[in-house]
Amino acid sequence: SYELTQPLSVSVALGQTARITCGGNNIGSKNVHWYQQKPGQAPVLVISRDSNRPSGIPERFSGSNSGNTATLTISRAQAGDETDYYCQVWDSSAAVFGGGTKLTVL
Amino acid sequence: EVQLVESGGGLVQPGGSLRLSCAASGFTFSSYAMSWVRQAPGKGLEWVSAISGSGGSTYYADSVKGRFTISRDNSKNTLYLQMNSLRAEDTAVYYCAKGEAAAGTSSWFDPWGQGTLVIVSS
Repeated sequence: SYELTQPLSVSVALGQTARITCGGNNIGSKNVHWYQQKPGQAPVLVISRDSNRPSGIPERFSGSNSGNTATLTISRAQAGDETDYYCQVWDSSAAVFGGGTKLTVL
Repeated sequence: EVQLVESGGGLVQPGGSLRLSCAASGFTFSSYAMSWVRQAPGKGLEWVSAISGSGGSTYYADSVKGRFTISRDNSKNTLYLQMNSLRAEDTAVYYCAKGEAAAGTSSWFDPWGQGTLVIVSS
């Protein structure tokens, strides 16, 4: 079965740029979606189809996808960005999530 | 405004059954695929099942295949998940989520409901 690999944790200084990766075999050929989940809350879509930002999501959030790695980039990181992030794709009629990355803003 | 409200969670013994519901509003329910995604305590997200807008196509994770059944009643704007032969490892918050198209297996999930907690324990 298809697997997505995310780092368990990423740290970023306040105001700097955070990059969260999502690795998978030839993931560049798939549509990658990203979710933000704050404690006790349901996940929220922050990036769809590799790089599309839904209405209401700040422009600081962006995405890219090529080869074996997709990346969620958070520019000018804020304290409120400190939480968990998940990538997701579809493979063989099954949705697959990455294990999740906890972003810490220092 | 699109809203999804889950219900039906609770405490059930191993081997027991439970039916979850997800009431949808704010969009044309029959035009969109729907999914169930779960999250065990302190763990990541795990997709459980999906159903096309018409209900004619269903998909399951291997971990629940043969035990869980997804269905929908488009006249009632409601999604269901019938869970049988429950195991301790099925303990999780179960979320319903809307797809972006009628097909079941190609889209992102947006929005999500608030979730309903299922605890499988004796």
